[in-house]
Amino acid sequence: ILNVEQSPQSLHVQEGDSTNFTCSFPSSNFYALHWYRWETAKSPEALFVMTLNGDEKKKGRISATLNTKEGYSYLYIKGSQPEDSATYLCAFSAYGNKLVFGAGTILRVKS
Amino acid sequence: EAQVTQNPRYLITVTGKKLTVTCSQNMNHEYMSWYRQDPGLGLRQIYYSMNVEVTDKGDVPEGYKVSRKEKRNFPLILESPSPNQTSLYFCASSFHLANEQFFGPGTRLTVL
Repeated sequence: ILNVEQSPQSLHVQEGDSTNFTCSFPSSNFYALHWYRWETAKSPEALFVMTLNGDEKKKGRISATLNTKEGYSYLYIKGSQPEDSATYLCAFSAYGNKLVFGAGTILRVKS
Repeated sequence: EAQVTQNPRYLITVTGKKLTVTCSQNMNHEYMSWYRQDPGLGLRQIYYSMNVEVTDKGDVPEGYKVSRKEKRNFPLILESPSPNQTSLYFCASSFHLANEQFFGPGTRLTVL
């Protein structure tokens, strides 16, 4: 079973703080790296899918980077807002068949 | 509206009573997948299908079956449910894994 690790497990920040999370995955046979946002009582929603080493993606205040050679991706949130509170999941695919999720990072933003 | 639907949304059943959770998508996606979510373990893939009549095991397939006879439907079958299959189940679909997955609303299953 492939291992995908996310850190930290949880994070509590103040409104306006910027924050970042890490996703570590195997550096061999890379196909794609996904980031999802999961709010309580809802379904996961996609933020980014990255397929190329060096990819950088941005959506509003959220951005992500990818390093496939060393096996990590960072997710950044600039100026956190209470509505950013959610669990952030990354998922790794090797060969384009299975998708393996990390356990997630729980973000709580206090106003 | 583009969506993934799952039924039922909630189910309480007893050990050994066969059940099926349906999943349907209207986006013409080729890839479909089932996941279970348990506290502290994140989402774990049960089975996936890369196209009609093509299914394969994920990381936790024991006790589950699937079929993919049509592109839009991917039912999850529990032939003889056991209490350790009590979980929150999600179905998801995408064109392939270089694209984002769209998740259904989830099915909360309790096996007594």
